Amino acid sequence: DVKVTQSSRYLVKRTGEKVFLECVQDMDHENMFWYRQDPGLGLRLIYFSYDVKMKEKGDIPEGYSVSREKKERFSLILESASTNQTSMYLCASSLWAGNYGYTFGSGTRLTVV
Amino acid sequence: QKEVEQNSGPLSVPEGAIASLNCTYSDRGSQSFFWYRQYSGKSPELIMSIYSNGDKEDGRFTAQLNKASQYVSLLIRDSQPSDSATYLCAVTLGSNNLFFGTGTRLTVIP
Repeated sequence: DVKVTQSSRYLVKRTGEKVFLECVQDMDHENMFWYRQDPGLGLRLIYFSYDVKMKEKGDIPEGYSVSREKKERFSLILESASTNQTSMYLCASSLWAGNYGYTFGSGTRLTVV
Repeated sequence: QKEVEQNSGPLSVPEGAIASLNCTYSDRGSQSFFWYRQYSGKSPELIMSIYSNGDKEDGRFTAQLNKASQYVSLLIRDSQPSDSATYLCAVTLGSNNLFFGTGTRLTVIP
């Protein structure tokens, strides 16, 4: 089974802090994604990457950046955390979404105080 | 804009009944369709995929696709309390990106 591992299950950070969310997958997937999920708003795509050192903006990239230095690792960075970034963050990876869909990590619930 | 619409629910069914979850999509070019189950506080897990018109059965789950009408549905037979979750519909146009609905919350009443 593909494993997508997110480094933290729960995280509490202060406003203005720089926050790093890490995601690692172990099945050599090309494609990796970062979403946030909020009640009533569903999954919203922040950034995605189809290859090492490649990144594309999703629907809500403002206030975020990403890094993909190695194929298996995709990091989400909150440059200066704000309270409106309190959310559940989900990482996903896929070999080819059209055939296999995504595999999600267990999620990181981030609270910014 | 690629839209995937689901009734947010909640949908309540008694234990043992059939739960029917529906999803419509706007882009006629959509090629692959997926159903994810998400328990409260957990991440989505893939439970069904369907690619061609008709029905696809897997245990108590049946996915139905009608491309002409642009809808996909998920039937859960003999619903159990453990099926209580939010069900997300996702579609892709054949690219590497999935487009998700906002999910339907299902409650199975013992």
